[in-house]
Amino acid sequence: SYVLTQPPSVSVAPGQTARITCGGNNIGSKSVHWYQQKPGQAPVLVVYDDSDRPSGIPERFSGSNSGNTATLTISRVEAGDEADYYCQVWDSSSDRVVFGGGTKLTVL
Amino acid sequence: EVQLVESGGGLVKPGGSLRLSCAASGFTFSSYSMNWVRQAPGKGLEWVSSISSSSSYIYYADSVKGRFTISRDNAKNSLYLQMNSLRAEDTAVYYCARGQGAIVVVPAADWGQGTLVTVSS
Repeated sequence: SYVLTQPPSVSVAPGQTARITCGGNNIGSKSVHWYQQKPGQAPVLVVYDDSDRPSGIPERFSGSNSGNTATLTISRVEAGDEADYYCQVWDSSSDRVVFGGGTKLTVL
Repeated sequence: EVQLVESGGGLVKPGGSLRLSCAASGFTFSSYSMNWVRQAPGKGLEWVSSISSSSSYIYYADSVKGRFTISRDNAKNSLYLQMNSLRAEDTAVYYCARGQGAIVVVPAADWGQGTLVTVSS
């Protein structure tokens, strides 16, 4: 089965840039979606189809995808960005939705 | 405004059954695929099942295949998850989430607030 690998945690100071990676075999051939989840809340879609943003999501959130790694980039990080972030793909070879294990973003 | 409201969670003994419901409003329910995603306490998101708009395509995670059944009633704007032979490891908050289109199940742009299922003796 297809596996997505994320670092358990990423720390960044306010105002700096956070990069959260999502590794998978030839993930560049798939569409990657990213979700933000704050404690006690439902997930929120922040990037879809590798690099598109839903309406209402700040331009500070961006994504890229190539080769075996997709990356969610959060520029000018704010305290309110502290959350868990999950990547997701559709694996057409198995007809399954796959989530990464999640990355806890800590704003120092 | 899209609204998804889950219900039906609760405490159930191992081996028992439970039926979750998700009431949808604010969009044309019959035009969208739907998903169930769960999250065990302190753990990450786990996809459970997806269903296309007309129920023609149904998908399950290996962990629930043969025990859970997803269904929908477009006339009632409702999504369901019938859960049988429940195990302790099924304990989680269960979210329903709207898919991208009639057949494409992800990304999920809209989520409910979830309903807690606890499997314990």
